[in-house]
Amino acid sequence: EAQVTQNPRYLITVTGKKLTVTCSQNMNHEYMSWYRQDPGLGLRQIYYSMNVEVTDKGDVPEGYKVSRKEKRNFPLILESPSPNQTSLYFCASSPGTSSYNEQFFGPGTRLTVL
Amino acid sequence: EDQVTQSPEALRLQEGESSSLNCSYTVSGLRGLFWYRQDPGKGPEFLFTLYSAGEEKEKERLKATLTKKESFLHITAPKPEDSATYLCAFGNRDDKIIFGKGTRLHILP
Repeated sequence: EAQVTQNPRYLITVTGKKLTVTCSQNMNHEYMSWYRQDPGLGLRQIYYSMNVEVTDKGDVPEGYKVSRKEKRNFPLILESPSPNQTSLYFCASSPGTSSYNEQFFGPGTRLTVL
Repeated sequence: EDQVTQSPEALRLQEGESSSLNCSYTVSGLRGLFWYRQDPGKGPEFLFTLYSAGEEKEKERLKATLTKKESFLHITAPKPEDSATYLCAFGNRDDKIIFGKGTRLHILP
């Protein structure tokens, strides 16, 4: 089944404790992206990657890191999480190397930072 | 600055009562205009992509249209299962994706 998977689905952590949210897709897509979704603010792009080893900042990259060492995986790293990073996070992938195409979203990761 | 505004924020309709959702956008170099549906607690699900003014696409009770400044999602004779949040987004020339805040649609039986 073609899909985007994220792990963990739920995470409660404390301020300053480094964490990684994994994202993997099995559709051989080039473009991958991370979003956060907050009430009243909608979906906002954190980072995106148009190809392996190519990443770029979205609208809200502060406090996050990403890496794209292989086509299928695009982990999101929070080096020192803070309470304002409490949010619902979505990973997405898309065919092609640009923003011309539709995205396929993962099920989401709900993160709480205490 | 690239931005997208969706209206209304929320809409309640009776089953069978047709209506339209609006997406107004300002973008430097439109790659594509996208519509998604999102159910509570789930990731957005793709509905349509539109690339140029005048383009229209249909799927069941939904029809999306595009002008140079707006896109509309027309819902004809909606059913309760059409209740969801509908998101509009576009890709710009930097290959970023910008989403609107969505329209929460509730169809009453």
